[in-house]
Amino acid sequence: GAVVSQHPSWVICKSGTSVKIECRSLDFQATTMFWYRQFPKQSLMLMATSNEGSKATYEQGVEKDKFLINHASLTLSTLTVTSAHPEDSSFYICSARERLAGGPGLDEQFFGPGTRLTVL
Amino acid sequence: AQSVTQPDIHITVSEGASLELRCNYSYGATPYLFWYVQSPGQGLQLLLKYFSGDTLVQGIKGFEAEFKRSQSSFNLRKPSVHWSDAAEYFCAVAPMNRDDKIIFGKGTRLHILP
Repeated sequence: GAVVSQHPSWVICKSGTSVKIECRSLDFQATTMFWYRQFPKQSLMLMATSNEGSKATYEQGVEKDKFLINHASLTLSTLTVTSAHPEDSSFYICSARERLAGGPGLDEQFFGPGTRLTVL
Repeated sequence: AQSVTQPDIHITVSEGASLELRCNYSYGATPYLFWYVQSPGQGLQLLLKYFSGDTLVQGIKGFEAEFKRSQSSFNLRKPSVHWSDAAEYFCAVAPMNRDDKIIFGKGTRLHILP
């Protein structure tokens, strides 16, 4: 199956600094990537939908100026947590959707392994 | 609004026993349905999915799920669990619109007794 990677797998930073997380589709082109946040023992909460070459669409309650998303190519999306604070500590997961030719039902999201962010 | 309900937060079964994880959805039409598994500190792995056709879906690792339209359910089953199946399981739905997003249930944590 298709592979999605994330880098770094974990990061520890000081409060007030910015952290960039990369999400790459390794063997397919992803016109759409999704960024999720997962708190301990919780489900995945969609933060934003990122389409290549256009601005990301953020879910209600997600601060777009704090969580900057860039989807500059069909294989790379980045999430930058700006001026991170301890409450931003979480597990961030990206997914990439492979847009295949054909009718509905052929698109599938492939998930990255996640990035554990700890803000001190 | 569409939603996914996994009524069991935790389930404990003995190794070798059968398993059923429940999932109910609320949606105006039949959506796409998924089951994902997440091991601690890991991303999600797709176990199986239902788009159309046969309502009994076979997945990886010996899992299967049955779509029951009348009950708006998509329960996950495995006839005999292994200790390595201990993980978090998420049911998810996506509307039959290729541009819309997946909605996840809150998850069921599966514990396996030796």
